[in-house]
Amino acid sequence: EVLLVESGGGLAQPGGSLRLSCAASGFTFSSYAMGWVRQAPGKGLEWVSIISNSGSSTYYADSVKGRFTISRDNSRNTLYLQMNSLRAEDTAVYYCASRYAVNKAFDYWGQGTLVTVSS
Amino acid sequence: QSALTQPASVSGSPGQSITISCTGTSSDVGGYNYVSWYQQHPGKAPKLMIYDVSDRPSGVSIRFSGSKSGNTASLTISGLQAEDEADYYCSSFTTSSTYVFGTGTKVTVL
Repeated sequence: EVLLVESGGGLAQPGGSLRLSCAASGFTFSSYAMGWVRQAPGKGLEWVSIISNSGSSTYYADSVKGRFTISRDNSRNTLYLQMNSLRAEDTAVYYCASRYAVNKAFDYWGQGTLVTVSS
Repeated sequence: QSALTQPASVSGSPGQSITISCTGTSSDVGGYNYVSWYQQHPGKAPKLMIYDVSDRPSGVSIRFSGSKSGNTASLTISGLQAEDEADYYCSSFTTSSTYVFGTGTKVTVL
């Protein structure tokens, strides 16, 4: 069974940093692309970033480019999102998701971790 | 990276069919056959319902179907049931190798 478990969320100050982790199990993590999607309170889904299976290719939404960095450790079956220069508008539930059995969609999702940016 | 446009709400009675539209541009919806649809119940993670415009993942009811014409994709729910009441989001892979989600549609079963 594919399982994705996010951690690392919490309260951060504007301009601060936070690193999210996503522990994966139940599949060969190193074979599949992984991504992050966020959802601000009461709002819709917003794609954040994606990383290829090897980690050699990464893409970002314009809203986070230059501030967030996605990475992965295939030896630890873990996905990361380093978030710097945080802004109030980054407040959201952050979901990690896999592109496992499908090519260009996210078929497995974690339960999400809440990031709150406030002074 | 503007969000794809969806109606804010759609409603229907049990047993009826409803259709949700998702309008983008030639750089996303119209550019590839990589449109997907997600169902989200309150407080839950999204669930993939349709991928590659019209394919269903294993375990998803055949009452859910997808299609696309030009820059507009559609999700149809047939035989509407109470458990279908949820928020629905479309998404598309783009010509920039990024993704974009739709604005979301709240489906209400009357």
